[in-house]
Amino acid sequence: DAKTTQPPSMDCAEGRAANLPCNHSTISGNEYVYWYRQIHSQGPQYIIHGLKNNETNEMASLIITEDRKSSTLILPHATLRDTAVYYCIVGYSTLTFGKGTMLLVSP
Amino acid sequence: EAGVAQSPRYKIIEKRQSVAFWCNPISGHATLYWYQQILGQGPKLLIQFQNNGVVDDSQLPKDRFSAERLKGVDSTLKIQPAKLEDSAVYLCASSLVKLGGPPGENEQFFGPGTRLTVL
Repeated sequence: DAKTTQPPSMDCAEGRAANLPCNHSTISGNEYVYWYRQIHSQGPQYIIHGLKNNETNEMASLIITEDRKSSTLILPHATLRDTAVYYCIVGYSTLTFGKGTMLLVSP
Repeated sequence: EAGVAQSPRYKIIEKRQSVAFWCNPISGHATLYWYQQILGQGPKLLIQFQNNGVVDDSQLPKDRFSAERLKGVDSTLKIQPAKLEDSAVYLCASSLVKLGGPPGENEQFFGPGTRLTVL
């Protein structure tokens, strides 16, 4: 079973920030938090990962709580092309995908 | 940089027939993965190769599925005989991660997948 809990769907207006939550209360000390997304009819795409500290790259920011039991992926200015299923995954070297969050960005 | 290549993109077969999928990973990527994604679900790892050796095949239905990675580059996944429940998208991914290496290098690059329909 997946070790993460995500809402099944979320909506976001174009140009606004999209904040996608993820609970991972059973995360182990050496496990990372990875985020991938999957646009319709494509393979998953890596977004970002982190261990303890918050991380930022050109695509998104990852905020991990101090107790590491939850995290939030932030897309600062969502566009229509960000509509996808977003997967939050915890692990070390193997990725176990859950059902993810379907993010719908609307005009 | 070329991405992960897969072929065919689509395949329709009848149950009990055989089918094979091909994957060419990103050049230099030592690790190769095959995933099965059933409609409405996330991808499920079937098998992981490190160079030409199998690292993890615990979720591969070995009575009908087989995979090989000759010379540590290209890989093929075969189903023989196919069942209706094998209808899915089969995804290939590759990465630079090495066993015991920093997990931060575990960015997996996925191909477009092969959509299999078993009638």
